[in-house]
Amino acid sequence: GQQVMQIPQYQHVQEGEDFTTYCNSSTTLSNIQWYKQRPGGHPVFLIQLVKSGEVKKQKRLTFQFGEAKKNSSLHITATQTTDVGTYFCAGGNAGGTSYGKLTFGQGTILTVHP
Amino acid sequence: DTGVSQDPRHKITKRGQNVTFRCDPISEHNRLYWYRQTLGQGPEFLTYFQNEAQLEKSRLLSDRFSAERPKGSFSTLEIQRTEQGDSAMYLCASTDRDRSYEQYFGPGTRLTVT
Repeated sequence: GQQVMQIPQYQHVQEGEDFTTYCNSSTTLSNIQWYKQRPGGHPVFLIQLVKSGEVKKQKRLTFQFGEAKKNSSLHITATQTTDVGTYFCAGGNAGGTSYGKLTFGQGTILTVHP
Repeated sequence: DTGVSQDPRHKITKRGQNVTFRCDPISEHNRLYWYRQTLGQGPEFLTYFQNEAQLEKSRLLSDRFSAERPKGSFSTLEIQRTEQGDSAMYLCASTDRDRSYEQYFGPGTRLTVT
């Protein structure tokens, strides 16, 4: 079955440093979504990428979808303590009864030291 | 509050007992998903519904697990003869497929099997 791998598992940064997490799928994806989960909370949707090579920005966050639609990245510029949490990528498959089903990566736990 | 709600939030049960969880999705959302999340892992897909139809069930899901969405609104997830390995956070999410595939997660039910 489809597997989604995410690295690194942990990332500790000083406030103001940049952060990047990478996501790789064993199969071509129809779309990729990113979620953030705060400690003790539930996943909250950040963004969805659909097109090959797509790049989207949300303030200090930049999301990319690879040309082959098998990998993605999330980059945070100048981290803040409010960025603390676990970032998950989730790959989606199109077509048939699997439409809308997501396969989540293991997540990257980000801690930010003030 | 018009978000996804889950009940109960916490459940402690003894091995061998049956448990049932409830999820109330956002009212206009026609797709509902169940996930299981263990510590340090991303949400793992269990099953999903479009309206009242159960369209897919994970192959990892044993016969002890069953889910229903009888009227296409709320859903229940039942685990029979619980085992210690069933201890996890059970998350429910819903989405409106006609608008986007962003999944809105509920707060989860934390199950502890002693």
